[in-house]
Amino acid sequence: QQQVKQSPQSLIVQKGGISIINCAYENTAFDYFPWYQQVPGKGPALLIAIRPDVSEKKEGRFTISFNKSAKQFSLHIMDSQPGDSATYFCAAGTGSARQLTFGSGTQLTVLP
Amino acid sequence: NAGVTQTPKFQVLKTGQSMTLQCAQDMNHNSMYWYRQDPGMGLRLIYYSASEGTTDKGEVPNGYNVSRLNKREFSLRLESAAPSQTSVYFCASKGDSAEAFFGQGTRLTVV
Repeated sequence: QQQVKQSPQSLIVQKGGISIINCAYENTAFDYFPWYQQVPGKGPALLIAIRPDVSEKKEGRFTISFNKSAKQFSLHIMDSQPGDSATYFCAAGTGSARQLTFGSGTQLTVLP
Repeated sequence: NAGVTQTPKFQVLKTGQSMTLQCAQDMNHNSMYWYRQDPGMGLRLIYYSASEGTTDKGEVPNGYNVSRLNKREFSLRLESAAPSQTSVYFCASKGDSAEAFFGQGTRLTVV
């Protein structure tokens, strides 16, 4: 049972373009929504995160948009760069230990 | 800053063999986790430990056991490895903030 559904599976964007990755969740108990970036040979690293009391959070070129009523959230990467090429995972967490449920991942390729 | 250290980085096992994956963190975090990563499946939680002395099952615990040896160390044991356990295993830890820090992973192949 996949509680966090992520799309698309892969994404190719030209340098300078906007990359958009979408996630949808089912469990309304989730109260923490991070995005992780993973480069080959490394573990995932936190990129940006949001809590459900806000609809948007921006850090540099990265923005999370959150729609609580639709149970959806998305990652926007503005002015995408070749260095952004990586696999991106959305996740949702709950509970005091904040165990995370991950989406299936999106492999982003930014062409120079 | 070492962060989260996993050993070994690579391992090949024969079906039925046992092994223990080691994880240690030096950030004084209370919570530690074991995930497995498979293509198209994202990361799935195997076991977690919210604090020293406690462990709980995650989404896919069958075939695995864990030990929270002390606050720093959280090991994952495969008693009788099966080809279905071929995967990349990640250990993570978390402190008071919500951010989880991941190790570099162990690539395990069971033949």
